[in-house]
Amino acid sequence: SQQGEEDPQALSIQEGENATMNCSYKTSINNLQWYRQNSGRGLVHLILIRSNEREKHSGRLRVTLDTSKKSSSLLITASRAADTASYFCAAGNTPLVFGKGTRLSVIA
Amino acid sequence: NAGVTQTPKFQVLKTGQSMTLQCAQDMNHNSMYWYRQDPGMGLRLIYYSASEGTTDKGEVPNGYNVSRLNKREFSLRLESAAPSQTSVYFCASSPGTTYYEQYFGPGTRLTVT
Repeated sequence: SQQGEEDPQALSIQEGENATMNCSYKTSINNLQWYRQNSGRGLVHLILIRSNEREKHSGRLRVTLDTSKKSSSLLITASRAADTASYFCAAGNTPLVFGKGTRLSVIA
Repeated sequence: NAGVTQTPKFQVLKTGQSMTLQCAQDMNHNSMYWYRQDPGMGLRLIYYSASEGTTDKGEVPNGYNVSRLNKREFSLRLESAAPSQTSVYFCASSPGTTYYEQYFGPGTRLTVT
């Protein structure tokens, strides 16, 4: 069964708005990663957060991790049409286990 | 530097036929992975190789075999294809198995009729 479960399954926002996606997982982990997938392409790594970290930033991305609630969130600020993609969390130890993804649509 | 390459890009098989999906990486990574992606199911790990000479089952290994030919190449074989194996297959690699990002290939779209 899958470790990470993203919520919502789909999200539609206007350009310039912030997008927040959540990920919950079941067992203890040593790190959690977020990936993006554009339609018909392979996944691209966005950010990795270790279990002893609570927050991490990369450009317009902000990831938080709450190990007590077994959950993580990905915030994309000032969304652009080019951010339209599916976003996956991958949680665990070895190997990682991917969730089913959130489909984000950013409307110009 | 091509990253992770996969061949073929598309394939149509009849039920019962066999085929091998090829994957190669030029980043000197130790670990390699095979995933399948089905609509609404996300990515599911089929097999992985933590290092050259080792392979381990993932979440959905039934109906597949793998070979870590050398450090660069990791192949996935379907011995007797079934319609349930219709999917998009992704290969990935990473420097190691823990605390490392994975680099994905472009995928192989397989249809079994």
